[in-house]
Amino acid sequence: ETGVTQTPRHLVMGMTNKKSLKCEQHLGHNAMYWYKQSAKKPLELMFVYNFKEQTENNSVPSRFSPECPNSSHLFLHLHTLQPEDSALYLCASSQENRGADTQYFGPGTRLTVL
Amino acid sequence: GESVGLHLPTLSVQEGDNSIINCAYSNSASDYFIWYKQESGKGPQFIIDIRSNMDKRQGQRVTVLLNKTVKHLSLQIAATQPGDSAVYFCAETLWANNLFFGTGTRLTVIP
Repeated sequence: ETGVTQTPRHLVMGMTNKKSLKCEQHLGHNAMYWYKQSAKKPLELMFVYNFKEQTENNSVPSRFSPECPNSSHLFLHLHTLQPEDSALYLCASSQENRGADTQYFGPGTRLTVL
Repeated sequence: GESVGLHLPTLSVQEGDNSIINCAYSNSASDYFIWYKQESGKGPQFIIDIRSNMDKRQGQRVTVLLNKTVKHLSLQIAATQPGDSAVYFCAETLWANNLFFGTGTRLTVIP
């Protein structure tokens, strides 16, 4: 899985902490995505960036703040999270933001909010 | 909105047997479908896709069937191996739109 990497792989944080998740893709893609994966739920699309511009914010609470400084890097800044935010956060990339463009996923960050 | 669901949350098969994983979708306008495989500790991995102008597509040991009449998608895995144990997701989209994923089916291969 060297195409899309995510760090850290595991994160435990308190509700008052501030942390950031990092994603990097080495595929030359122009679109990057953040998904939330909770147990027994479909993958939930959170944010989409296409050519560094945010094109989708799927009604995500403001305690999640994405940043895309360039087409290869994507961050998810976290602050004052809730225990229900505990989940696997997946980053993906694709050539462009089109459903027909294959999305390549990173291994995810397992987040636990205490 | 779109609804993508799976008939069975779990499936157990004997090694060497064929596996069939089913998926129902609700948006008759969807024109592109994908199957992903997610192994433990990893992100989803693309397996195979199919466009709505096709009924069947074959890959290496996998076949995807699309029945647009009943809005049903299936993934067939031939000669299932222990390495096939994973959660399988179907996803649907309109060509230029975002993907909508199902909840997933956990496939367990019994040695």
